[in-house]
Amino acid sequence: DAGVIQSPRHEVTEMGQEVTLRCKPISGHDYLFWYRQTMMRGLELLIYFNNNVPIDDSGMPEDRFSAKMPNASFSTLKIQPSEPRDSAVYFCASTFSFVSKGEQYFGPGTRLTVT
Amino acid sequence: AQKITQTQPGMFVQEKEAVTLDCTYDTSDPSYGLFWYKQPSSGEMIFLIYQGSYDQQNATEGRYSLNFQKARKSANLVISASQLGDSAMYFCAMRENTGNQFYFGTGTSLTVIP
Repeated sequence: DAGVIQSPRHEVTEMGQEVTLRCKPISGHDYLFWYRQTMMRGLELLIYFNNNVPIDDSGMPEDRFSAKMPNASFSTLKIQPSEPRDSAVYFCASTFSFVSKGEQYFGPGTRLTVT
Repeated sequence: AQKITQTQPGMFVQEKEAVTLDCTYDTSDPSYGLFWYKQPSSGEMIFLIYQGSYDQQNATEGRYSLNFQKARKSANLVISASQLGDSAMYFCAMRENTGNQFYFGTGTSLTVIP
């Protein structure tokens, strides 16, 4: 399997612009997670989906952030408008159910820089 | 209260020695899972080892073992025979099965000294 795929790997944008991050989970996985990692705040869970349905979005910082999962093989995280404090590495992760271990497989991350 | 606490921001270990990375957790859920992940400088997050709350024995995966002390709510990671490639950030994480909640610790930076 190709693993979790994220694009782009790097994104540099100006404040106020819309940013869209993309994720393709591992085929067959039914949970998908979006995380943000910064030096100051560490690794934060933003939102997660089960069978394409958002389950918990309490970690989404504010209304500027939105996430969708239109089908089992694709998810987006959108920031509109972006701000410099959104600069971080954004990870997508997926896992298969919670019956087994439920370990999450992470994508390589998208490094976002907002100037 | 923090759900996952990693009190060691940085650790050093001599190559070929063993090292223990501490993790304590807080939950009232009787069913939970504990995980350790490694994040090398390249940035990817790599799953290392898992311990279920009902598992009777400590988990082991190669040079990694998890010292699970349920009463103390600790899940320390032990790396035996450290290698230079073990230098990385290590994160402890917990999944509460009942509420399907996930928590990560703040991480411990491990440096292996030749």
